[in-house]
Amino acid sequence: AQSVAQPEDQVNVAEGNPLTVKCTYSVSGNPYLFWYVQYPNRGLQFLLKYITGDNLVKGSYGFEAEFNKSQTSFHLKKPSALVSDSALYFCAVSDTGRRALTFGSGTRLQVQP
Amino acid sequence: SAVISQKPSRDICQRGTSLTIQCQVDSQVTMMFWYRQQPGQSLTLIATANQGSEATYESGFVIDKFPISRPNLTFSTLTVSNMSPEDSSIYLCSVVNGGAENEKLFFGSGTQLSVL
Repeated sequence: AQSVAQPEDQVNVAEGNPLTVKCTYSVSGNPYLFWYVQYPNRGLQFLLKYITGDNLVKGSYGFEAEFNKSQTSFHLKKPSALVSDSALYFCAVSDTGRRALTFGSGTRLQVQP
Repeated sequence: SAVISQKPSRDICQRGTSLTIQCQVDSQVTMMFWYRQQPGQSLTLIATANQGSEATYESGFVIDKFPISRPNLTFSTLTVSNMSPEDSSIYLCSVVNGGAENEKLFFGSGTQLSVL
């Protein structure tokens, strides 16, 4: 069985500061890893994914994530946070070929002006 | 990318009734999924909608409660049967689109269901 852990319910950061949203995973095979963002009253939007290749993945809106196989982590990062980044962020994983995703519990990012 | 239209966007229903949610995609897709997001919680996979055969349900979800149709490669429905207040959730349709390295999972905007 596959699982995802997002250990922080909420992350608070000041605008202009770097941000990190943590995610660890567990799968039996090679992981496909994803980050999605959910704004209020809107659907989920894809940010980025890792399947293979470079451990540092760049995605939408200046976000990036680093795949660390030894630590089974896939933390989301951004060098300089914006107030408009405030939203709910979900990490998700699937094992090779399954396609359906298992989501983490979500982390609410609050960026203060 | 894939554009997913989900209807209704929201509904308020009485206990014991059923609601059918429709999901229309603007292109043919191989895989379609239905998720549930209960208030303040994460997304949980209900089932994989298989074209031309019965849906594949995840643990804790059964066909009698959540019957699914997938008549073709662009359309699916999810019915929430004999509803109770515990069924109040956002229900989301999602599809896999794109090939190889571009493959992504896209989501509809969801159906917000409230059961009284």
